[in-house]
Amino acid sequence: AQSVSQHNHHVILSEAASLELGCNYSYGGTVNLFWYVQYPGQHLQLLLKYFSGDPLVKGIKGFEAEFIKSKFSFNLRKPSVQWSDTAEYFCAVNKNGGATNKLIFGTGTLLAVQP
Amino acid sequence: KAGVTQTPRYLIKTRGQQVTLSCSPISGHRSVSWYQQTPGQGLQFLFEYFSETQRNKGNFPGRFSGRQFSNSRSEMNVSTLELGDSALYLCASSAEMGKDIQYFGAGTRLSVL
Repeated sequence: AQSVSQHNHHVILSEAASLELGCNYSYGGTVNLFWYVQYPGQHLQLLLKYFSGDPLVKGIKGFEAEFIKSKFSFNLRKPSVQWSDTAEYFCAVNKNGGATNKLIFGTGTLLAVQP
Repeated sequence: KAGVTQTPRYLIKTRGQQVTLSCSPISGHRSVSWYQQTPGQGLQFLFEYFSETQRNKGNFPGRFSGRQFSNSRSEMNVSTLELGDSALYLCASSAEMGKDIQYFGAGTRLSVL
């Protein structure tokens, strides 16, 4: 069965620190990969996505992620975090080429950025 | 363009009751998916609809059901509510099935007492 693992459940950083959140997935076929963010009191928003092509994808607000197929990983990075990045971050995967939008989510990483 | 709209935003029910949640997708979107979000289980897929047909279903009991109308609006129903059904129920819409981005609504917070 498909699964997504996010190893960091709770991360605390100071402003301007660099961020890397881990995401590994378990699935034998080709996948689409996503990072969603949920700011306090707000709905889930897409940060970035990978469907195919360049494995380094750039998203909104200075976030990027790298798809490493051999490691089944899709880690999220940001060189310098801001207080406004405080949120919960979810990695998600779905089957590429399948007639489905079903997303398998990781358990989420709660990021707290201290001013 | 309006986003995904879910109503109501909050609901309080008692055990044994049933509840219906509504989702209006982004205009032009034909696919609607539902997810349950709880602190313990995280985000779990319930089901997805496309062109009024259920295309996929998650691992939830038969008390959870849904449907999609010809205007792509969707409803989900939970019968015989249990305490464990307390959760945030999220709806997501996308234009097509497969290689597409899903846009999420703000959710309906259901509390079962």
